[in-house]
Amino acid sequence: QSALTQPASVSGSPGQSIAISCIGTSRDVGNYKLVSWYQQYPGKAPKVIISDDTKRPSGVSDRFSGSKSGNTASLTISGLQAEDEADYYCCSFAGSGTWVFGGGTKVTVL
Amino acid sequence: EVQLVESGGGLVQPGGSLRLSCAASGFTFTTFWMAWVRQAPGKGLEWVANIQPDGTAQYYLDSVKGRFTISRDNAKDSLYLQMISLRAEDTAVYYCARYPSPNPYYFDYWGQGALVTVSS
Repeated sequence: QSALTQPASVSGSPGQSIAISCIGTSRDVGNYKLVSWYQQYPGKAPKVIISDDTKRPSGVSDRFSGSKSGNTASLTISGLQAEDEADYYCCSFAGSGTWVFGGGTKVTVL
Repeated sequence: EVQLVESGGGLVQPGGSLRLSCAASGFTFTTFWMAWVRQAPGKGLEWVANIQPDGTAQYYLDSVKGRFTISRDNAKDSLYLQMISLRAEDTAVYYCARYPSPNPYYFDYWGQGALVTVSS
């Protein structure tokens, strides 16, 4: 049950695209199509923005997209906006009913 | 409207016990997997435990096995987390979270969280 690896911080200017990586193993990220991504503002509960590796729940902006290659999942935010400044977490099913989160990435809009 | 409201948080001494509750409303509680996820101050999210709709199966983070027990009362639309032998490292905001049905593969609703502080 080791945490998935995310960069501590990523920054970009308004309008740019940024990508956040989430590195797991063949026992979690690479073994299931069950990576989800969450956006969290300070003092607030997380909100799902990507499920099942690449699916965008209803109501989530199409500027958010998910992808995966092998043991690494990625979240891309296109057309970066000030409101995207938040913490982002990946999460994967890890087998035997358990789940594992990444350490989180702070996105800063310059 | 789906609502999850946690209660029962507070200050407890190391080695002590605490029970968190989560009152669910706005959906048919009996058909959804539920979970507890925690977040230590200034740290990331950590999955703690989950329970299947009928309560017959539960799964735990290794570091809480034998100390935490997740349970539910479907007649009361409530989820619980009984915590014993608490340690300083259990200090966190504990969120109640729901998995969607019929595909319980992510967390679609979260409560506002309950703060548990383990300190002497």
